[in-house]
Amino acid sequence: AQSVTQLDSQVPVFEEAPVELRCNYSSSVSVYLFWYVQYPNQGLQLLLKYLSGSTLVKGINGFEAEFNKSQTSFHLRKPSVHISDTAEYFCAVKYSGGGADGLTFGKGTHLIIQP
Amino acid sequence: DTGVSQDPRHKITKRGQNVTFRCDPISEHNRLYWYRQTLGQGPEFLTYFQNEAQLEKSRLLSDRFSAERPKGSFSTLEIQRTEQGDSAMYLCASSLEELQETQYFGPGTRLLVL
Repeated sequence: AQSVTQLDSQVPVFEEAPVELRCNYSSSVSVYLFWYVQYPNQGLQLLLKYLSGSTLVKGINGFEAEFNKSQTSFHLRKPSVHISDTAEYFCAVKYSGGGADGLTFGKGTHLIIQP
Repeated sequence: DTGVSQDPRHKITKRGQNVTFRCDPISEHNRLYWYRQTLGQGPEFLTYFQNEAQLEKSRLLSDRFSAERPKGSFSTLEIQRTEQGDSAMYLCASSLEELQETQYFGPGTRLLVL
C-alpha cells in the first residue's frame, strides 16, 4: 500500500526567507506526485504535479518541487515566502500503473509565516 | 468553469440521524471522488465514480456509508445512523478522464455529530 510521510507538522519561517517542505513516499513502482495547498475553511488547490519528464516541477505562486526517485522524495520549495503563503500543505501520491483510484495524502505541513 | 461545489457547507446533526451531502463537479468532468478529512489529517479516499458507475467503493468506512451518481453528473454521499466519529470534513473532487491525474476539489462539507 502506498503511504506518504510529511515529516514536519509545522514549519515556521520568516517572511521573505526560503522554505522547504519535505515529502517522502513509499512505493517501488512508478507514481504520480502532487502538492496541494489548503487555506482555512477552503478546499484543496493544486500547487503542482509530477507525472513524468523533468524532475524539477514548477507550480503556481512561485513554488517548485523536485522528484527524486532514488530517495523517494518530492520536496516542495519556495525561495522567498509571503504572509499569504500561510496555509496547510499536503503531499499526495497516486499509482501510475493505471486503473482508477484516489490520491493518498500525507498528514500535511502547516506553514507559518512570521513577519 | 464554476468549479466543484458542495452543499451544504456545514451540517450539525444528532447521533443516529441520517445525513446526505451533495457534490456538483465541474461540468465536463466525468470522474468524481469522495474523501474524508479529519482534524490534523490529510484527506482519506472513500469512493470514486466514472460517469454513473461506482468503480471503487471498498474504501467506504462502513456499510453506513453509501454514494450515488445516478445520471453521471452530481453525486450524493449518505451516512446512515451517524456516530460522533463521523464528524469530519467531507470533500468532493472531480477530474477529466484525459487528464485524470489532476483532481479539482470542492470546498467541502463540515459535519458535526452531537
